[in-house]
Amino acid sequence: AQKVTQAQTEISVVEKEDVTLDCVYETRDTTYYLFWYKQPPSGELVFLIRRNSFDEQNEISGRYSWNFQKSTSSFNFTITASQVVDSAVYFCALSAGNTPLVFGKGTRLSVIA
Amino acid sequence: DAGVTQSPTHLIKTRGQQVTLRCSPKSGHDTVSWYQQALGQGPQFIFQYYEEEERQRGNFPDRFSGHQFPNYSSELNVNALLLGDSALYLCASSSPGLGTQYFGPGTRLLVL
Repeated sequence: AQKVTQAQTEISVVEKEDVTLDCVYETRDTTYYLFWYKQPPSGELVFLIRRNSFDEQNEISGRYSWNFQKSTSSFNFTITASQVVDSAVYFCALSAGNTPLVFGKGTRLSVIA
Repeated sequence: DAGVTQSPTHLIKTRGQQVTLRCSPKSGHDTVSWYQQALGQGPQFIFQYYEEEERQRGNFPDRFSGHQFPNYSSELNVNALLLGDSALYLCASSSPGLGTQYFGPGTRLLVL
């Protein structure tokens, strides 16, 4: 069975601070995909990144970066120089084999001006 | 290029009623998945449709049923509504194979 754990329920930071959202996953499959989605108050889940299990390279996209470590089964997400517009609920998700997405419970990020 | 669309945006029903939610996938996508998101929780997979057939199903009762049309759009039907069915219902579409799922804005269902 697949499982995703996001231990941080809520995080509050002051604007321009860096913040890291943690994600730990469990799967017995050797081929799997990891995702991060952002859910603003409007409710729509916005796709941020997809990473397959064979690619452990870290990725940077603007102020966003992702650290994938198979040794610790973690796929952490860092926002550099946070902005108020980053306030949202962030979900980490896993898809292994041909299974549907399994989501964590999400981390609510509040960025205060 | 239109993204995933869902209708209606909000819905209020009473216990025992039936509801139908609709979803149009992103252009070029042929697979539609439905998720239920209760307040404060992550989305839970309901089922997935491909080639007008239910391909996978999550742990939801038979009161939840669906359909996919030849144009790839989809409906989610819930019968005999319970208070616990109140949630945000999200539709996601993807391209063939293990494509990334893109989500619509959701339908907020309130059961009174």
